[in-house]
This record gives sequence, structure tokens and C-alpha cells, in this order.
Amino acid sequence: DGGITQSPKYLFRKEGQNVTLSCEQNLNHDAMYWYRQDPGQGLRLIYYSQIVNDFQKGDIAEGYSVSREKKESFPLTVTSAQKNPTAFYLCASSLRTRITDTQYFGPGTRLTVL
Amino acid sequence: KQEVTQIPAALSVPEGENLVLNCSFTDSAIYNLQWFRQDPGKGLTSLLLIQSSQREQTSGRLNASLDKSSGRSTLYIAASQPGDSATYLCAGGGDSNYQLIWGAGTKLIIKP
Repeated sequence: DGGITQSPKYLFRKEGQNVTLSCEQNLNHDAMYWYRQDPGQGLRLIYYSQIVNDFQKGDIAEGYSVSREKKESFPLTVTSAQKNPTAFYLCASSLRTRITDTQYFGPGTRLTVL
Repeated sequence: KQEVTQIPAALSVPEGENLVLNCSFTDSAIYNLQWFRQDPGKGLTSLLLIQSSQREQTSGRLNASLDKSSGRSTLYIAASQPGDSATYLCAGGGDSNYQLIWGAGTKLIIKP
């Protein structure tokens, strides 16, 4: 089965902790994305990557970091610098970063700050 | 700055009705437009993609159209079913960049 997996499904963070959200795809897509979803708002782009070893900041990158060491993997770290991290995080991939390429989404990770 | 509005924010209709969801952009220069479905607590599933050269797309009971002159899109759902209950999001992009701009979604409930 081709698709995108995210883990964990639920994650709890204490104040001051860094946590890492996993995203893996076996669709052989070059492009991967991280979005944040808050109630009543549209998805907001955190980071995106067009190719291995390359990534770019989106609209709300502050307090987050990513890496793209493998084509299949694009983990997101939520650092202690992110002051309001409670949200639903969605990872997506597409063949390339062309606006015409359909994005395929993982099931999401819900992060809660304790 | 491009912004997207989806109206209504929530909609509840009896099973079998035809319905229309709306999506409008502050900047009418939309290169393409996509509609997604999101079930509670889940990721998004792409429903329809309207490319720059197209005005509408159809898939089964779903039809999406894009009026580029006004920057508005509609998603038409025919003969609604309880399984259609979900949040529907639209997203669009201009031709100068890769990034999609997202609406907040319309939460649709189909009552049996």
C-alpha cells in the first residue's frame, strides 16, 4: 500500500521540551510539506522540502525545525521556542512542488502541551 | 495577501438533497483550485483539482467549478448521503509560486 504515515497519532509535551513528529512516505514523491491546523482556520504551511537535503520555511516556521536526509522521511521537531504548539499537525507529499500537483496527506498528529 | 473564505462554515441538510459549498479568494488570480475532504481527526483526501485551463471537474456525485473572473469556486454535491458528512476544504494557488492558500472549511452534516 502506497501512502503517508505519521506517528505518533497523539503526543503530549511538557513545557520546555522538544518533541519530534515523524512523517514517512512510500509514494516516491520529491516534495514534502508540514502544515499546522487550528480550529476555525485554514491550514498553515510550516516547512516544505522540494528534494532531499533541501527545505524551505513556510509562513509559520518559527519554533519549528525539520530535516530531509532521506527522500521518504521528513520529520518535524517542535522546539521549546514554539510558544503555542497545541494543534493538529499534517504532513503531505506531492510528486513535485508544482502548484498543479495533488498533495497527499497523512492521518495527522495531535500535539497537546501539558 | 491572498485570503480564502468558505461559506457557510457549517451546513446540515437531510439525506438526498443537492447542496453547494462556496469558496472565494480575495485575489481572483487563481491558477488552480483544489477541493479536499477531511473526516474528524483525520488527514485530508483530495477530491477534485481544477487546472488553469479548466473551468470545472466532475467525479461521481461531485462537481467543482472555478470562475476565475471572480475568484470563486463552488463544490456541488448531488443526492447527498450520510457518508458525505465531513469537513470540505478548498485550496488555491497563483501561477507565481507553489504554495496553496487554504480556506477554513465547511463542516457538512447529512442527516439520515
